Amino acid sequence: DIVMTQTPLSLSVTPGQSASISCKSSQSLLHSDGKTYLYWYLQKPGQPPQLLIYEVSSRFSGVPDRFSGSGSGTDFTLKISRVEAEDVGVYYCMQSIELPLTFGGGTKVEIK
Amino acid sequence: QVQLQQWGAGLLKPSETLSLTCAVYGGSFGTSWWSWIRQPPGKGLEWIGEIKNSDTTSYNPSLKSRVTISLDTSKNQFSLKLISLTAADTAVHYCARGGGPIDSWGHGTLVTVSS
Repeated sequence: DIVMTQTPLSLSVTPGQSASISCKSSQSLLHSDGKTYLYWYLQKPGQPPQLLIYEVSSRFSGVPDRFSGSGSGTDFTLKISRVEAEDVGVYYCMQSIELPLTFGGGTKVEIK
Repeated sequence: QVQLQQWGAGLLKPSETLSLTCAVYGGSFGTSWWSWIRQPPGKGLEWIGEIKNSDTTSYNPSLKSRVTISLDTSKNQFSLKLISLTAADTAVHYCARGGGPIDSWGHGTLVTVSS
């Protein structure tokens, strides 16, 4: 299985500041079709996860442009600019280049 | 916009069988992948498996011997069965659309396995 490792485990952010979360995969997520199958999700308390970013850097419908994704190969980053109170929750990365689909362990973001 | 509504028994005993069903509204049922994912209390996400068409399924090897995912295209529903339950199967189980990206999720069903 592809192992997804997220850091840090938790993050405390002042509203208006930015935050970054790292995700590293145990093997490259670059497919021969040229796409990189890395996604980011936010799970708010008591809710199912919601898709934020697909294929490393494309924002899903309705996701604010404060969220941005970057990276390649095995190293990826989610950046939240101008953090707001509604951004609290646990962020997960996920890969789908190979079955089984696997998720990172999660990064909990809270507001100071 | 697709919506998923799921249901099933929430309290089961060890060795019993988990059975959950997910109804899909508003989506392209016949052309999408449909997944089940679970989350033990306070822990991360584990992909269980997926199905597209009635004869195309994939399962997590860690659960493969105990899992069956099926489709009822006449009702736009798909189902999860997990046999031989133990306490380690206690989790919120989500139905979802997609195998990457997974872009729509059900609300989740907490299944507790306890004697």
